[in-house]
Amino acid sequence: SQKIEQNSEALNIQEGKTATLTCNYTNYSPAYLQWYRQDPGRGPVFLLLIRENEKEKRKERLKVTFDTTLKQSLFHITASQPADSATYLCAERGGGYNKLIFGAGTRLAVHP
Amino acid sequence: DTAVSQTPKYLVTQMGNDKSIKCEQNLGHDTMYWYKQDSKKFLKIMFSYNNKELIINETVPNRFSPKSPDKAHLNLHINSLELGDSAVYFCASSQERGQLYNEQFFGPGTRLTVL
Repeated sequence: SQKIEQNSEALNIQEGKTATLTCNYTNYSPAYLQWYRQDPGRGPVFLLLIRENEKEKRKERLKVTFDTTLKQSLFHITASQPADSATYLCAERGGGYNKLIFGAGTRLAVHP
Repeated sequence: DTAVSQTPKYLVTQMGNDKSIKCEQNLGHDTMYWYKQDSKKFLKIMFSYNNKELIINETVPNRFSPKSPDKAHLNLHINSLELGDSAVYFCASSQERGQLYNEQFFGPGTRLTVL
């Protein structure tokens, strides 16, 4: 069955740098991948979706890539700010309907 | 304007009790979900309803029973609560009809603690 793997170690970076988070999938190539942000004590919030035939998607300071050869999606935040500190979740549609399979998330801490 | 709301936010109860969590969405979506997020932060789908019809039922003990009185509401009833049921439960919704790629909108979560 499909597994979504994200680096469980926290990512600590300095304000202004680019944060890069990794999402790997183990089995079939998903039709799309979604990225969500989750703050402590709150529900996930949708950020970006990238389809398998798209190499890259951008939204303001966010950029997502999808490499079906490497079975990987990268999530970039440029010019990171302390307000970007949160857990970022990668998810794919686990076959049929809109059932999402989530990775464990990567916690990002941006230090001033 | 709250898009997806859940009540209660916190629920502390004894083992063996029965409890319910309520969810409402005002987005006009036709699909609603329950997810469980355990202490390791893994978010796992439990159930999904489309227009009041159950369409996803993951391997969840039958002590958990979802109920959708209408497409704006999806409640979760849990019988005979066990310690392992302690987690944060999230309700979510999305619009499925005519769409292929759908973002999901999550509620604020209900933190259930079973003592």
